[in-house]
Amino acid sequence: DIQMTQSPSSLSASVGDRVTITCRASQSISSYLNWYQHKPGKAPKLLIYAASSLQSGVPSRFSGSGSGTDFTLTISSLQPEDFANYYCQQSYSNTRTFGHGTKVEIK
Amino acid sequence: QVQLQESGPGLVKPSQTLSLTCTVSGGSISSSTYYWSWIRQPAGKGLEWIGRIHASGITNYHPSLKSRVTMSVDTSKNQFSLRLSSVAAADTAVYYCARELSFDWKLDVWGQGTTVTVSS
Repeated sequence: DIQMTQSPSSLSASVGDRVTITCRASQSISSYLNWYQHKPGKAPKLLIYAASSLQSGVPSRFSGSGSGTDFTLTISSLQPEDFANYYCQQSYSNTRTFGHGTKVEIK
Repeated sequence: QVQLQESGPGLVKPSQTLSLTCTVSGGSISSSTYYWSWIRQPAGKGLEWIGRIHASGITNYHPSLKSRVTMSVDTSKNQFSLRLSSVAAADTAVYYCARELSFDWKLDVWGQGTTVTVSS
């Protein structure tokens, strides 16, 4: 399996802060990396696909970058509705894997 | 607009088989453009990919679950299904079905999830 390691596992931030979450793959996955937002009791929501492409309807404050093994999700100005869990997921291998998640909490 | 809805028993006894169905509305499950996936989330833990199936019958399963998982598609009902045998308490989770687009390889549509508890 390709292992996906996210950091940090949690963070506290204030509205308006710039937030960065990183994801590292155990081997090169080119740009086959997606990011999801997940709130309790809701379905996960696709934010970024192919490492840096913004899913339709997702606010432009979300952005992704990286290729190979190292990837980043950035929220340029944190909004109240952005407090949630975030997961990276590789789609390079036929066996998909998720990172363990990053919980973004209110400071 | 495509929507997915999971259904199935909320309680399964240990050693029995968990069976869930995902009904696809607003689109055809027979389209070659998509794979149909199952993901779960145990309480307090992260998302775990279980596997996926294409309408052609192609399947990919997580290696740790492969011996217990079977997925199928029923094009006449526009549904796909998950069967997980020999369940144990560790299989207690919220189970999600999702659609994976076969050229961007992204899980772009998800069901709301259904909770399955394994307990006697």
